[in-house]
Amino acid sequence: SQTIHQWPATLVQPVGSPLSLECTVEGTSNPNLYWYRQAAGRGLQLLFYSVGIGQISSEVPQNLSASRPQDRQFILSSKKLLLSDSGFYLCAWGRQEDQPQHFGDGTRLSIL
Amino acid sequence: DQQVKQNSPSLSVQEGRISILNCDYTNSMFDYFLWYKKYPAEGPTFLISISSIKDKNEDGRFTVFLNKSAKHLSLHIVPSQPGDSAVYFCAGGGNNFNKFYFGSGTKLNVKP
Repeated sequence: SQTIHQWPATLVQPVGSPLSLECTVEGTSNPNLYWYRQAAGRGLQLLFYSVGIGQISSEVPQNLSASRPQDRQFILSSKKLLLSDSGFYLCAWGRQEDQPQHFGDGTRLSIL
Repeated sequence: DQQVKQNSPSLSVQEGRISILNCDYTNSMFDYFLWYKKYPAEGPTFLISISSIKDKNEDGRFTVFLNKSAKHLSLHIVPSQPGDSAVYFCAGGGNNFNKFYFGSGTKLNVKP
C-alpha cells in the first residue's frame, strides 16, 4: 500500500532563517505531488504541484519554492522565512485525474 | 478568489441525529468533488467523493449530494457519532493535473 511521510512534524524557526521540509511517498511510482498550507483559521491553500521529476508549478506567488529531485521526493524550501510563512504544511500525492489525493500528517511551522 | 466555500465554520449535533455539512463552489469546470475529515495535528483523510456526472454517492453512514445547477454539495452523516467530531473539508477540481481547491472547513462536534 502507499504511504506518505513528512518531516519534521513540528518546527520553530527565527525570521530570516532558511527552511527545508521534506516529503516522500512509498508504494507508488510517478505520482503527482502537492504542497499545501493551512494558515490559522483558514482552509488548505495549494502552493505547488509536480507531475514529474524536476517539474514544478506554482499556484500562488510567495516566499517559498519547491523541488522534486527524485520521483517520490518533494521538498519545500525558503531562503529567508517571513512571519507570514507560519502555518501547517501538508504534502499530498495523487494519481490520474478525478482521483482523491492522499495527505501526509503535516509539519507545524512557527516563525518567531 | 476562493473557488470553494464552506460558510459554516462550525456545527454541533446530538449523537444519533443527522449532520449536514454544506459546500459551495464557483468553478463550473470542476469534474470531481471530495470530502475529507481532519483531526488536529494530522493530515486530512479522504472520506467520500462524487463525480460531476452524478448527483448522489453513498458510503455507509456518509452520503454526498451534488446540485450542479446551484453549484452546491452537501455531506450527510447519519447517524452521527461522537467519533465523527472533526473538521470536514470539501474540495473541487480533478481535472488539470488532478488539482483540487479546498474550502475553509467546518468543525463538527457530535455531542454524546
